[in-house]
Amino acid sequence: DAGVIQSPRHEVTEMGQEVTLRCKPISGHDYLFWYRQTMMRGLELLIYFNNNVPIDDSGMPEDRFSAKMPNASFSTLKIQPSEPRDSAVYFCASSRNWQAELFFGEGSRLTVL
Amino acid sequence: GENVEQHPSTLSVQEGDSAVIKCTYSDSASNYFPWYKQELGKGPQLIIDIRSNVGEKKDQRIAVTLNKTAKHFSLHITETQPEDSAVYFCAASIGHTPLVFGKGTRLSVIA
Repeated sequence: DAGVIQSPRHEVTEMGQEVTLRCKPISGHDYLFWYRQTMMRGLELLIYFNNNVPIDDSGMPEDRFSAKMPNASFSTLKIQPSEPRDSAVYFCASSRNWQAELFFGEGSRLTVL
Repeated sequence: GENVEQHPSTLSVQEGDSAVIKCTYSDSASNYFPWYKQELGKGPQLIIDIRSNVGEKKDQRIAVTLNKTAKHFSLHITETQPEDSAVYFCAASIGHTPLVFGKGTRLSVIA
């Protein structure tokens, strides 16, 4: 298996622009997680899905953030409008079961100018 | 909710020496404690985990210990090698809640 695939790897955009990050989880994994990593706050869980259904989005910082999982093989995290404080590395991870190993993608590094 | 504290934030050791990273958690109901290693430019990767019905677990040069009474768990790396240099994260979860990660420890192994 190719592992969790994220795109883009790097994104530089200007404040106010819409940003869409994409994730393809490992086939057969029932859980998908979106994390944000910064030096100050570490790894923060934004939202997670079980069988494509959003379960907990309490970590989404503001209404500017939204996430979807239209099918078992694809998820998006959207920021609209983006702000400089959104600059971070965004990771997608998937797992087969609850409290099972999380497989992380290589991350999407977002810079908002 | 659960809160995980991790110490130290940075750690430098000589090659061949041991490294110990410690974490404390707040919720006594937590029952799953994994450790992840993150190399530069990559996502975190699971290296070892322990569940609350076990006090210690070993995998070659890596071991994790759990003290449920004191609510802390530790990662031990023996005979450190340069390739052990990375950021290590501990995490904890209760059965119905997702993992909460510590802030990470940057380990540098000096050859």
